[in-house]
Amino acid sequence: AQTVTQSQPEMSVQEAETVTLSCTYDTSENNYYLFWYKQPPSRQMILVIRQEAYKQQNATENRFSVNFQKAAKSFSLKISDSQLGDTAMYFCAFMRIQGAQKLVFGQGTRLTINP
Amino acid sequence: NAGVTQTPKFQVLKTGQSMTLQCAQDMNHEYMSWYRQDPGMGLRLIHYSVGAGITDQGEVPNGYNVSRSTTEDFPLRLLSAAPSQTSVYFCASSPQYSNQPQHFGDGTRLSIL
Repeated sequence: AQTVTQSQPEMSVQEAETVTLSCTYDTSENNYYLFWYKQPPSRQMILVIRQEAYKQQNATENRFSVNFQKAAKSFSLKISDSQLGDTAMYFCAFMRIQGAQKLVFGQGTRLTINP
Repeated sequence: NAGVTQTPKFQVLKTGQSMTLQCAQDMNHEYMSWYRQDPGMGLRLIHYSVGAGITDQGEVPNGYNVSRSTTEDFPLRLLSAAPSQTSVYFCASSPQYSNQPQHFGDGTRLSIL
């Protein structure tokens, strides 16, 4: 079975700073997807970024980028030029490519951006 | 395009009561699933369905029933609510066998007294 671990329950940074959220996972699969979801106080689950394990290039979406280390099973999220609107819970998630599209989530990191 | 709609948004039940959480999607997605979110534990899969008439258990299925009579709807039933089922419940959908991300509903906050 796959597991996802987020070792930082809470983080806090000043506006405009760069912050990195950690995620490690365990799987015997070779091909899979990894995701970062954002959950603001509104409770919505918003996809931030996605990485396919078979792609060596790290995914980027505007101010959000990942550092994907397949051998180390590490998938960290970097937020550059952080904004107040980035305040949210962030979840790392794993999904196998084969079979049903079941997401396995980490415990979450509560990120606060201070003015 | 409404996406994934969950009703109700909030509900309070007494122990032993039954209830159905509704989930509907208008995107013709084959895959639908239910998750529960508890503090410090992220989201955990309860049940999922890969199409009408087909359902299967996820990580935490005990105490919950599901059915999928149509592509659009995937209700989650609590037959006899217990305080341990106090949680926030999310429904999600996506096309099957694709790399498209899952669409989540806005969640239902359920409290069992």
